Amino acid sequence: QQQVKQSPQSLIVQKGGISIINCAYENTAFDYFPWYQQFPGKGPALLIAIRPDVSEKKEGRFTISFNKSAKQFSLHIMDSQPGDSATYFCAASRGTSYDKVIFGPGTSLSVIP
Amino acid sequence: NAGVMQNPRHLVRRRGQEARLRCSPMKGHSHVYWYRQLPEEGLKFMVYLQKENIIDESGMPKERFSAEFPKEGPSILRIQQVVRGDSAAYFCASHDSLGQDEQYFGPGTRLTVT
Repeated sequence: QQQVKQSPQSLIVQKGGISIINCAYENTAFDYFPWYQQFPGKGPALLIAIRPDVSEKKEGRFTISFNKSAKQFSLHIMDSQPGDSATYFCAASRGTSYDKVIFGPGTSLSVIP
Repeated sequence: NAGVMQNPRHLVRRRGQEARLRCSPMKGHSHVYWYRQLPEEGLKFMVYLQKENIIDESGMPKERFSAEFPKEGPSILRIQQVVRGDSAAYFCASHDSLGQDEQYFGPGTRLTVT
C-alpha cells in the first residue's frame, strides 16, 4: 500500500513533442504528490507538486493532472526540449505530517533533436 | 543560502570496512531524511531524524546501519562491515519546521564497495 507505480520506464520524444508520464498509488492517506527531476550524478530536484484538492497544476511547460477517484496522476511536459532529458520520479507523501517520501521507480526521458 | 551538503561525494570502501556519510541540512532545517538509490532504481526511504531523535527508521536494515543527528554538527549515516550490496547512492534531504511540504535533496554520496 506504500507503493507508487510509474510508467513508462523509458520514453523517447522528439523535440517539441509532449512527454507524458503516468503514476498510480494505493494509500489514500497520501496528500502531497511531488515530481522530481534527476540528472546523472545529481540529487533529485523538485519540479512541481500537487495536492489532491485540485485536479490540475501548471507551471510553465510542466503540468500535473490529478484524478483522485482513480488514484492516478500524470506529468505532461509540453514542447519538450533536449535539456529536459533526465530521469523523472513521481512521489507521494503525507506532507502535513513530515512523512517520508515514497518514490516511483522513475522514467528515463530522452528528448531527441 | 547554501543547500543541503553531503560529503564525501564519492567513497570507496573494501568489504568489511566502515562507511561514514555526512549530511548538513539547509540552514534552519531541523528535519533530515536519508534515502538510498540502487543503480537504475528509484530512491528508497531509510530513516527520518530530528535533532537528537530518530523519528522513523522503518527503512533501515536491521543490522550494520545506524544514523544520528546530534544537537551540533551534521547528520551521520554509518554502515559497518560494508558488503558489495551496499554500493549505491545515498541521498540526504532536509525539511523545515514551518509546515512546508518540500524536502530539499543534497547531491548524494556514491558509495562503492570493492
